[in-house]
Amino acid sequence: ELKVEQNPLFLSMQEGKNYTIYCNYSTTSDRLYWYRQDPGKSLESLFVLLSNGAVKQEGRLMASLDTKARLSTLHITAAVHDLSATYFCAVDEGYNTNAGKSTFGDGTTLTVKP
Amino acid sequence: ETGVTQTPRHLVMGMTNKKSLKCEQHLGHNAMYWYKQSAKKPLELMFVYNFKEQTENNSVPSRFSPECPNSSHLFLHLHTLQPEDSALYLCASSHSAGGWAGNTIYFGEGSWLTVV
Repeated sequence: ELKVEQNPLFLSMQEGKNYTIYCNYSTTSDRLYWYRQDPGKSLESLFVLLSNGAVKQEGRLMASLDTKARLSTLHITAAVHDLSATYFCAVDEGYNTNAGKSTFGDGTTLTVKP
Repeated sequence: ETGVTQTPRHLVMGMTNKKSLKCEQHLGHNAMYWYKQSAKKPLELMFVYNFKEQTENNSVPSRFSPECPNSSHLFLHLHTLQPEDSALYLCASSHSAGGWAGNTIYFGEGSWLTVV
């Protein structure tokens, strides 16, 4: 059974600081996703990571994937209040499967304070 | 506006009621999904439909019955639910149910379900 673990689950940080959210998963996969969810809102796709060493950046967020370590990171640079949200990573099990089946982590609730 | 529309947004139902959740996507996608998001639990995939065919049932109790009449519409029929079924039910769609570079999943706003 695929398990996806995020840490930390809660993160409070000051504006302007840097921090990293970690996502570990338990079985082989070559597809990992990061989503953002604002309170009372739906999930918004941030990144899709498809290969070992993949790195994607959008604004102050940068995601990377190490399939050998079964680890993805979401790095936040110079945080701003607008980044406050819950961030989920999700993993599709196996390689090149067609099921489109994603297992989600518990989410990391980020609060950025002035 | 996410391109995936869910109705109703909020639903309160008794344990003996029968109700349905509706999802419609305007993105031209071929795969649609139902997820359940409960407090203090990870998001759970319930069902996957690919080109109107169900390809995944993640051990969901039979009191939840999905229906996909075409690639743009997905329903979740609810009957004799339990209070522990109260949750946010999210519909999503993607180009297809395969894992490739462009296959981003787009979520609807969700339907908040309370079972009393």
